[in-house]
Amino acid sequence: LAKTTQPISMDSYEGQEVNITCSHNNIATNDYITWYQQFPSQGPRFIIQGYKTKVTNEVASLFIPADRKSSTLSLPRVSLSDTAVYYCLVGDRSYNKLIFGAGTRLAVHP
Amino acid sequence: ETGVTQTPRHLVMGMTNKKSLKCEQHLGHNAMYWYKQSAKKPLELMFVYSLEERVENNSVPSRFSPECPNSSHLFLHLHTLQPEDSALYLCASSQDLTLQYEQYFGPGTRLTVT
Repeated sequence: LAKTTQPISMDSYEGQEVNITCSHNNIATNDYITWYQQFPSQGPRFIIQGYKTKVTNEVASLFIPADRKSSTLSLPRVSLSDTAVYYCLVGDRSYNKLIFGAGTRLAVHP
Repeated sequence: ETGVTQTPRHLVMGMTNKKSLKCEQHLGHNAMYWYKQSAKKPLELMFVYSLEERVENNSVPSRFSPECPNSSHLFLHLHTLQPEDSALYLCASSQDLTLQYEQYFGPGTRLTVT
């Protein structure tokens, strides 16, 4: 499985756009990029998945450059409720093992 | 509300007790999972079930015993646990093993072993 690297923590303020970048230099041809969100004392929640270029849903956007060695999760106009840990995962669609790293701890301040 | 429920939400047990954690999914999924999340550590996959058959056991100590009587229910039987087993235990489900990338997690059971 491709190893991922993302910042340990980030701070932002309400109303700002937050971009969290994940590096995955060893991504394989069949690999997809998936992001999860986890609030304290809750299970992770699937946010978005992409393979290349840009994917957008009601929660976030995912930007993937042509070389796919990195990806950026973009959260528009964050609120206090977006304070959570965000995990970047890379694997094929069967994800033989869904391996979560340490994630990025996002703190949104008033 | 993810469609995956877990009971109890909190559990305190002594090292000589026997208890069980229950997970139920209302999504019609065929694959179910148990994870352990200790403080300040990443989620660790413990067991994977597909159509009631165990397909993965990640070197979990035998004091943890899973059971999957049907595709909607998953149990984790606990006995003679150690204090280091205190953690958040999460259950998840996915449509099937080919779509593991999108798992639906329950709220977890916060277990404290005294």
